Amino acid sequence: NAGVMQNPRHLVRRRGQEARLRCSPMKGHSHVYWYRQLPEEGLKFMVYLQKENIIDESGMPKERFSAEFPKEGPSILRIQQVVRGDSAAYFCASSLPLAGGYQETQYFGPGTRLLVL
Amino acid sequence: GESVGLHLPTLSVQEGDNSIINCAYSNSASDYFIWYKQESGKGPQFIIDIRSNMDKRQGQRVTVLLNKTVKHLSLQIAATQPGDSAVYFCAENTGGFKTIFGAGTRLFVKA
Repeated sequence: NAGVMQNPRHLVRRRGQEARLRCSPMKGHSHVYWYRQLPEEGLKFMVYLQKENIIDESGMPKERFSAEFPKEGPSILRIQQVVRGDSAAYFCASSLPLAGGYQETQYFGPGTRLLVL
Repeated sequence: GESVGLHLPTLSVQEGDNSIINCAYSNSASDYFIWYKQESGKGPQFIIDIRSNMDKRQGQRVTVLLNKTVKHLSLQIAATQPGDSAVYFCAENTGGFKTIFGAGTRLFVKA
């Protein structure tokens, strides 16, 4: 059973370009989460999606950032007009649906390291 | 702000010794706690979890202790090995989907 997959693993963009990060959840998982991590820091929640629905995007900047999880295909985190401050590691996690009100364990992908020049 | 924090940012232990990583949380409504291990250049890896109706849970070489009275969580690693060297994160959840991560503790294992 393949784990959570993310690509690309490394992405270099110049200021003003667009960055597209992809995440394929574990088989059978319908919930996807995106996190951002700066060096030597913890993970910061960005957005939580189910298939074709954004459930919570409270951790995502209001501008330039968007996320989707279409019925078919991977989840996409899109950053438009990147700036140097967007440089970070972006991790995707997936889980089964909530069961009995309890959070299901999130399993993480290897991350995409974005560098903005 | 974050409600999960760690007492020590760095922990150095001798190979074969036991390691204890501590974590404090401030949200008394949190009912699910998770420990993750993150090696350099990799994503967080699930280690062990515990729900608030328990105060101890054991896995292979790891034990998580939960003290709800003082809102404290700890991860104990028995017979620490060089492969245990990593950053360890505690995380909490209040029954919904949002998991809040602490800042992390870096564990160094000396051979």
